[in-house]
Amino acid sequence: EDQVTQSPEALRLQEGESSSLNCSYTVSGLRGLFWYRQDPGKGPEFLFTLYSAGEEKEKERLKATLTKKESFLHITAPKPEDSATYLCASGSGNTGKLIFGQGTTLQVKP
Amino acid sequence: NAGVMQNPRHLVRRRGQEARLRCSPMKGHSHVYWYRQLPEEGLKFMVYLQKENIIDESGMPKERFSAEFPKEGPSILRIQQVVRGDSAAYFCASSSTATNEQFFGPGTRLTVL
Repeated sequence: EDQVTQSPEALRLQEGESSSLNCSYTVSGLRGLFWYRQDPGKGPEFLFTLYSAGEEKEKERLKATLTKKESFLHITAPKPEDSATYLCASGSGNTGKLIFGQGTTLQVKP
Repeated sequence: NAGVMQNPRHLVRRRGQEARLRCSPMKGHSHVYWYRQLPEEGLKFMVYLQKENIIDESGMPKERFSAEFPKEGPSILRIQQVVRGDSAAYFCASSSTATNEQFFGPGTRLTVL
């Protein structure tokens, strides 16, 4: 069965303290690995799509990487405004269905 | 360019009533998806539609739930005879193709009393 697992569930960082979020996937026929940010009471906001192992994408303090079994979201020198829940999702098969992980809730303290 | 629009943002229903949730995709997008987020749970896929066609409804409960995306107008997720367990946030997303990134709306928060 296709599955996406994120760790840790929650992460507390001091402002400026870099770290990484993990997303492990077991999906047959991976059709993209997607990262989203979700703030409380809002819909997920698209961040990145990765399609093949070795691919990397960056946006401001965020960098996403992909291997054959995992994806990492690296956060460099985070700021309090980076506090949110980060969701990882895999595209599977030949439909548009996304399988989401449970998310990592990040809190960055000033 | 307006994003994905959903209405209402909040909906309160009593047990046994019907709930209708609407979604207008981003301009130029013809692929629409519905997801449900139960309290303390992750996002779960429900259904994938293109204009006038249901492509994948593997995540839809077998009873009481239906979805449509007519030729004109928004996509509708319909829940008949709601029960307390239907209380959740329902998100709609749209994309330009089946493999591209999906952009989400703000969600409809359904509360069943």
